[in-house]
Amino acid sequence: DTEVTQTPKHLVMGMTNKKSLKCEQHMGHRAMYWYKQKAKKPPELMFVYSYEKLSINESVPSRFSPECPNSSLLNLHLHALQPEDSALYLCASSQVLLPPGQGYEQYFGPGTRLTVT
Amino acid sequence: GQQLNQSPQSMFIQEGEDVSMNCTSSSIFNTWLWYKQDPGEGPVLLIALYKAGELTSNGRLTAQFGITRKDSFLNISASIPSDVGIYFCAGQLRGSYGGSQGNLIFGKGTKLSVKP
Repeated sequence: DTEVTQTPKHLVMGMTNKKSLKCEQHMGHRAMYWYKQKAKKPPELMFVYSYEKLSINESVPSRFSPECPNSSLLNLHLHALQPEDSALYLCASSQVLLPPGQGYEQYFGPGTRLTVT
Repeated sequence: GQQLNQSPQSMFIQEGEDVSMNCTSSSIFNTWLWYKQDPGEGPVLLIALYKAGELTSNGRLTAQFGITRKDSFLNISASIPSDVGIYFCAGQLRGSYGGSQGNLIFGKGTKLSVKP
């Protein structure tokens, strides 16, 4: 099973709203990621969690707040977003700490299409 | 930041044709991954490559990890309409394993469309 699930599929929110995106995987992966993807562009890394601890924050504005409650779940809390934050938000997971010289495979969820009005 | 040059940017296919696309970089990579993305969906992993010179197939798809570790190509044989979509290459830089799980570098994508 290489499934990563994300909810909701679509989200429309106003600039004063607070909402959360959810991601879940049951592959036993201990690294989880949030990406943002604009139309016709590749995914852009936002955050990385490794063993439930935040290991990478790619200078993301504080209106995006990630949370990793356990090894299977990843949340992204949204507050006071701007219209330019409208995008497809992708969650991914992978193994961690592979031996040198080996890579890893990231598995993506279906994404949440976010529209900020 | 690091760049991956993916080409072509777009191409039109007729059913039955073979398709080829590639990614190049000035940096050395540990891993090459090829993804396909349909509109409104997340990228789906097609093939993963870990060793220089490695040639791997997945059905009608074949991908190779370049000998120099700086490039990779993906071939699709006998294309069918459901091959339409955007294909992304992604690489993990050599020396970036361990705590740096985040640095997958993506190409800009190759959009496959059906010939009118």
